[in-house]
Amino acid sequence: SYELTQPPSVSVSPGQTARITCSGDALPKQYAYWYQQKPGQAPVLVIYKDSERPSGIPERFSGSSSGTTVTLTISGVQAEDEADYYCQSADSSGTSVVFGGGTKLTVL
Amino acid sequence: QITLKESGPTLVKPTQTLTLTCTFSGFSLSTSGVGVGWIRQPPGKALEWLALIYWDDDKRYSPSLKSRLTITKDTSKNQVVLTMTNMDPVDTATYYCAHRGDVVVTAIPYFDYWGQGTLVTVSS
Repeated sequence: SYELTQPPSVSVSPGQTARITCSGDALPKQYAYWYQQKPGQAPVLVIYKDSERPSGIPERFSGSSSGTTVTLTISGVQAEDEADYYCQSADSSGTSVVFGGGTKLTVL
Repeated sequence: QITLKESGPTLVKPTQTLTLTCTFSGFSLSTSGVGVGWIRQPPGKALEWLALIYWDDDKRYSPSLKSRLTITKDTSKNQVVLTMTNMDPVDTATYYCAHRGDVVVTAIPYFDYWGQGTLVTVSS
């Protein structure tokens, strides 16, 4: 079955830039989406269609795509950004939704 | 505004069938392109997509769980129901329903509004 691969953890100091990657063979063909999940809360969409930001999401959140890897970038990380982040896409046919394994972002 | 809320049992026994209901407002499942999905998350683990139903009653299932899942909709009640058969302790998880984030028919599904989730424990 199709898989999306994320690093288990990323750590950054406040004010620095955090980059979280997600790799998958179908990513050149399918858009990627990113969700932020804080403890005890439902996921929140922070990036859609590789690089679009929903209304209400701070500008420090951005997304990019290159080949089989997509990247979520958080510029000027704040303590409130500490959370789990999940990428999501679909298989090459576009019919089966897939989530990555999640990345825990720690703000030191 | 769009809201979704999951309801169902908090505890089920192994081998039983789980039935969860998602009650939503702020959109209609009879509108072209609209969809509602189910996603679950075992404690401390990653999100896992389960199923999705579209406005035209097209249904999609996770390949690994397809044999155990059924998703249906009641447009008049603004509800989507998920049933999962033969429950096992490994199915213990928070179950979320969510609104499909794109009305373009050919776009891949993603989720822009989520319910608060409901924790289902499988134990005898």
